[in-house]
Amino acid sequence: KNEVEQSPQNLTAQEGEFITINCSYSVGISALHWLQQHPGGGIVSLFMLSSGKKKHGRLIATINIQEKHSSLHITASHPRDSAVYICAVRYGGGSNFGNEKLTFGTGTRLTIIP
Amino acid sequence: KAGVTQTPRYLIKTRGQQVTLSCSPISGHRSVSWYQQTPGQGLQFLFEYFSETQRNKGNFPGRFSGRQFSNSRSEMNVSTLELGDSALYLCASSPLYGTDTQYFGPGTRLTVL
Repeated sequence: KNEVEQSPQNLTAQEGEFITINCSYSVGISALHWLQQHPGGGIVSLFMLSSGKKKHGRLIATINIQEKHSSLHITASHPRDSAVYICAVRYGGGSNFGNEKLTFGTGTRLTIIP
Repeated sequence: KAGVTQTPRYLIKTRGQQVTLSCSPISGHRSVSWYQQTPGQGLQFLFEYFSETQRNKGNFPGRFSGRQFSNSRSEMNVSTLELGDSALYLCASSPLYGTDTQYFGPGTRLTVL
């Protein structure tokens, strides 16, 4: 079973601060997803990573396969970034169909104060 | 392109009943996944379909089932509803199977009384 741990659980920061959210997992994975969930429930997929680093606007996601760790960074944070950020890992089955699972972290609740 | 749509958006059922939820993926997407979200357990993976075949399944009892049609639309069914089945059920689609970005629908909020 793959355990996924996120930290911190809650994060409050001032507008403009640099934000880092961490995700650690316990077994080898085929992919890691970062998701954003706003109040009201809508989920947006931010990144899908299998190695290295990806950047989209003010968001940067990195993954270290050897360390089994990923980070999501937000530069120049803004109140509209306030949301729950969820890490999810896909593991098992390799490139073959079947027996793959997706396990989610419990989420990090980010609040950006103007 | 229209996004992922789920119907109904809200549903109230009583224990013992069964329910069918529907998901229409983004046009051209062939993979559909279903998830359950509850305050206590968070997000949990239910199953994943690709080309009308269930490819992967989460750790849910057999009361939870699903299917995918030739137009990629998907349904999930929960039989003999229990109070603990009250949750937000989310559907997500992606163009291909496996490691691909998923696009989530707004969810169906099921309340079991």
